[in-house]
Amino acid sequence: DTAVSQTPKYLVTQMGNDKSIKCEQNLGHDTMYWYKQDSKKFLKIMFSYNNKELIINETVPNRFSPKSPDKAHLNLHINSLELGDSAVYFCASSPWFGKIYEQYFGPGTRLTVT
Amino acid sequence: SQKIEQNSEALNIQEGKTATLTCNYTNYSPAYLQWYRQDPGRGPVFLLLIRENEKEKRKERLKVTFDTTLKQSLFHITASQPADSATYLCALIHGSSNTGKLIFGQGTTLQVKP
Repeated sequence: DTAVSQTPKYLVTQMGNDKSIKCEQNLGHDTMYWYKQDSKKFLKIMFSYNNKELIINETVPNRFSPKSPDKAHLNLHINSLELGDSAVYFCASSPWFGKIYEQYFGPGTRLTVT
Repeated sequence: SQKIEQNSEALNIQEGKTATLTCNYTNYSPAYLQWYRQDPGRGPVFLLLIRENEKEKRKERLKVTFDTTLKQSLFHITASQPADSATYLCALIHGSSNTGKLIFGQGTTLQVKP
């Protein structure tokens, strides 16, 4: 069984479009995250939700909006896509947002904006 | 400025040797440091966590050290195998953070040759 799943795996779209990436975890964790990994492989946190409540909101354009319908799901909606949004987006989860927990990552969604 | 740095050059070693990867940080006071493995096209996988009051942690062929004076963590893989070839990421949680926010280095790619 997949612990953290994301859909789609690949997303190719044109500038200006709006797209969503979905994430689900079946680990029973309370905290979920969105990360962006750029072409230089830096993995950077974007958002974190704990039990549907926003915990971390990094300096991200407000074109990016996370939504957590329940604690097992965290979706990422991106409006007016730009070339610079091209990257791999990873969803992750952890039991709680405290300091001592490892994070479990999904397989990633490779977004290409043309 | 705050930085977390890993050797961006790939590390090539012969099978059976010990691989040592370095993670240096500046202007952070990490309470915890974690190491992850990332294979191409996949999400990071948690390997080890070490606390600031621990000098060393082991798990099977893996060993992590944490020197808060040198501001450095070393990650060792003993008796390395070709299957250990991957990118290894270090990540820290800043001491003052209570959100579980992980800050990642850019990773070091390890290539183990048979």
